[in-house]
Amino acid sequence: GNSVTQMEGPVTLSEEAFLTINCTYTATGYPSLFWYVQYPGEGLQLLLKATKADDKGSNKGFEATYRKETTSFHLEKGSVQVSDSAVYFCALRDPIQGGSEKLVFGKGTKLTVNP
Amino acid sequence: KAGVTQTPRYLIKTRGQQVTLSCSPISGHRSVSWYQQTPGQGLQFLFEYFSETQRNKGNFPGRFSGRQFSNSRSEMNVSTLELGDSALYLCASSPLPTGTGWNIQYFGAGTRLSVL
Repeated sequence: GNSVTQMEGPVTLSEEAFLTINCTYTATGYPSLFWYVQYPGEGLQLLLKATKADDKGSNKGFEATYRKETTSFHLEKGSVQVSDSAVYFCALRDPIQGGSEKLVFGKGTKLTVNP
Repeated sequence: KAGVTQTPRYLIKTRGQQVTLSCSPISGHRSVSWYQQTPGQGLQFLFEYFSETQRNKGNFPGRFSGRQFSNSRSEMNVSTLELGDSALYLCASSPLPTGTGWNIQYFGAGTRLSVL
């Protein structure tokens, strides 16, 4: 089945630093790709998405570009804030039986931003 | 519009007991999926319900079951609890069944189950 490999954390940065979290995928075809964020004590929130090659998803200063050549969907932000401290998950839609789909997630990367 | 609501937020059980978790989807959403999140295995798909029917189930033993009601609310049940069932259980809802065009899933805050 399809799978996602995400850089292991934790990642610790100072405020206003540049952020990159690497994500690569293995899939048949070109599945939709997502980044979800999980703040402490909360569920998952969709951060951004891309549905086809070369699409760029963006939200709240975060960006990720769907690169089919390198099968990657790296998350970037030019200047992180303390409030960005959270766990970030890369995910893809994986078709399963009966026409349904499930989300397949990476292991998650914990980001801590210090003032 | 209220988000996905999961109750209870925290639960402590002992081995051998059973537990029922509840998920109320966003109003108008008819698909509910459940995921288990553990430090070791990460996020894993449990099952999806749409229109009171289970569409699919992940690789979990038969002790894990679920159902969906006519108002789209869903429950999942775990019988004969084991220590390894300790996890955060997340519910996600979407307007349409998964696999239908562009259909985003919205997650609840989860129920944290601890099995002692």
